[in-house]
Amino acid sequence: KAGVTQTPRYLIKTRGQQVTLSCSPISGHRSVSWYQQTPGQGLQFLFEYFSETQRNKGNFPGRFSGRQFSNSRSEMNVSTLELGDSALYLCASSWDGDYEQYFGPGTRLTVT
Amino acid sequence: GQQLNQSPQSMFIQEGEDVSMNCTSSSIFNTWLWYKQDPGEGPVLLIALYKAGELTSNGRLTAQFGITRKDSFLNISASIPSDVGIYFCAGQFVSSGNQFYFGTGTSLTVIP
Repeated sequence: KAGVTQTPRYLIKTRGQQVTLSCSPISGHRSVSWYQQTPGQGLQFLFEYFSETQRNKGNFPGRFSGRQFSNSRSEMNVSTLELGDSALYLCASSWDGDYEQYFGPGTRLTVT
Repeated sequence: GQQLNQSPQSMFIQEGEDVSMNCTSSSIFNTWLWYKQDPGEGPVLLIALYKAGELTSNGRLTAQFGITRKDSFLNISASIPSDVGIYFCAGQFVSSGNQFYFGTGTSLTVIP
């Protein structure tokens, strides 16, 4: 069974731009969660989608948004990028949100 | 937000030694997950725990769900160089819905 895939693996953007990251969950998994990982703050929960609906949202500004498609693939978007948005963005999938979560390799975003 | 206290922050051990790390919370948890993360990669799920008192092994790794449901322990026996990495605990508590909270990580260095 293929694991969680994330594209792209690396991105360099300029402050003020926007970015879209993609996540394909493990086949059969309907829940996708997104996390931001930085050295200073650790792993911080962004949001969780299940069956195309956002079920949970972390404490991030509205510049961070996401969506999920009918095939469970998910995208997250960050608008008006700031230097502090530089981080490893991880998505994790699970059969349902309260079962084991499996992570993708992450997208390393650098904002200059 | 919810705080998971993970300790120790870092460990330097000789190859062959046993390792122990733990996570504690002020909230009662439904689920504990333990992950290992290598640099630049996503966390890999090691062990999942669902019941208070549960003791689960995965090769040389053993994890326990604390009786109070507020803590969890991970032990690694006979460490080897490939055990190097950062270990995270993650927990989901009764009223957190489908959101997992992560500990700050334990960095493990194994000296050959």
